Amino acid sequence: ETGVTQSPTHLIKTRGQQVTLRCSSQSGHNTVSWYQQALGQGPQFIFQYYREEENGRGNFPPRFSGLQFPNYSSELNVNALELDDSALYLCASSFSRGGHETQYFGPGTRLLVL
Amino acid sequence: KQEVTQIPAALSVPEGENLVLNCSFTDSAIYNLQWFRQDPGKGLTSLLLIQSSQREQTSGRLNASLDKSSGRSTLYIAASQPGDSATYLCAVIGTAGNKLTFGGGTRVLVKP
Repeated sequence: ETGVTQSPTHLIKTRGQQVTLRCSSQSGHNTVSWYQQALGQGPQFIFQYYREEENGRGNFPPRFSGLQFPNYSSELNVNALELDDSALYLCASSFSRGGHETQYFGPGTRLLVL
Repeated sequence: KQEVTQIPAALSVPEGENLVLNCSFTDSAIYNLQWFRQDPGKGLTSLLLIQSSQREQTSGRLNASLDKSSGRSTLYIAASQPGDSATYLCAVIGTAGNKLTFGGGTRVLVKP
C-alpha cells in the first residue's frame, strides 16, 4: 500500500458525458501526476500538478483538465467523453516536482465509455 | 522525444529460473529510471529506482542495472516464484523532471 488513494475504483459513462476522478496523495507529498493506461499498454503522462499549479502536460487535448487543492489532493476532469477514453487512470504522488524521488501510484480508476 | 521499449512483450519460465527483463530508451538525458510491477487491473508498485549517476540497484532477489550511455537497463529476478507473475514496466524521467515515460511492459508468467 502506497498511501495514495483514488476514487471511484470503477466508472461507466456514455459518449459525450463528463467525468471527475479524484486522487489523495501520500502524506507529505506536494506533487501529483496523472497517467492514462490503455489496455495492454504502458501508462501515458497526462499532466502534473505541483503546489496547485500545472507543471507540465502530455499530448492530451484540452478537454482533459485538472486541479490540485491546498491539501495536495487532485482531480482529473474529462469533458465530452470519447470511446477511446476508456482506460485505467492512475495518479502518482511524489515529494517534489524534480526527478530524483520515487513516484508512488494509487490503485487507479477504471473508466469505461460506452 | 523519449521512447522506451521493453523486449520481450511476454515471457514464460518455470519456477526457480532466473528472469532477465530488458528496457531500452532513446534519449540518454535522464534523471532516473524506475522499474514497476503491475498485477492485473491494479496500480503500479515501485520495485527499484536507479539514479542516472548509479550503475545498479539491488533489493532482495531483484537487481537492476543501468547503462545510460547505451540507453539500456536490465532487471534481474533471481530464483523466480509463481508470485512473481505480473507485468513489469520500466520508466524514465527526463531532465525536465516532471513526467515518467513508460515502456509497454513485459508480461511474466512463472509456472509452478
